[in-house]
Amino acid sequence: DAMVIQNPRYQVTQFGKPVTLSCSQTLNHNVMYWYQQKSSQAPKLLFHYYDKDFNNEADTPDNFQSRRPNTSFCFLDIRSPGLGDAAMYLCATSRDRWGNEKLFFGSGTQLSVL
Amino acid sequence: GQNIDQPTEMTATEGAIVQINCTYQTSGFNGLFWYQQHAGEAPTFLSYNVLDGLEEKGRFSSFLSRSKGYSYLLLKELQMKDSASYLCAPIDSNYQLIWGAGTKLIIKP
Repeated sequence: DAMVIQNPRYQVTQFGKPVTLSCSQTLNHNVMYWYQQKSSQAPKLLFHYYDKDFNNEADTPDNFQSRRPNTSFCFLDIRSPGLGDAAMYLCATSRDRWGNEKLFFGSGTQLSVL
Repeated sequence: GQNIDQPTEMTATEGAIVQINCTYQTSGFNGLFWYQQHAGEAPTFLSYNVLDGLEEKGRFSSFLSRSKGYSYLLLKELQMKDSASYLCAPIDSNYQLIWGAGTKLIIKP
């Protein structure tokens, strides 16, 4: 089945220790997104790629970086995680970025910062 | 600014009907999504409305009034597995999804 896969499902890191979350997709979608979601809050868009074109949200901290080496893979790097970065990180894809293109989500990575 | 307003939490009984309302203010409008999210899991697509009126899909229906900036999700014949959060997400003029915080629906036997 075509899908969006996130690894790992749970990630524990130490305060200030760099961490990388990964996402892969077999849908061949052009757009890949990274969202941060804290408990009982709306998902917050961090950035998205339209093909190789990187789009950073204005309020995404510099601590967050992303890479998309090819169509299938996208990575979220948190350079120096703080306690406030503990959250669920959701990767999503869409065929295009216009109109009614629904998002397909991976299962998410729950990040804990100790 | 852009704003989404949904009730934080609702409770309903198994087998009953529940309506979850969403009002929104966005810069432009290009449709509205409803997503379901079970606790600790990722959102899954439920419906998309771009024109006024009711879209029915099995037990779930979604309604849109663009002039009122209003949508609702109607769930019929509630089942225990419908216990989840329901997120309203209109699309603005830049084709960005503006997510609400969601309505947590609790189903009781």
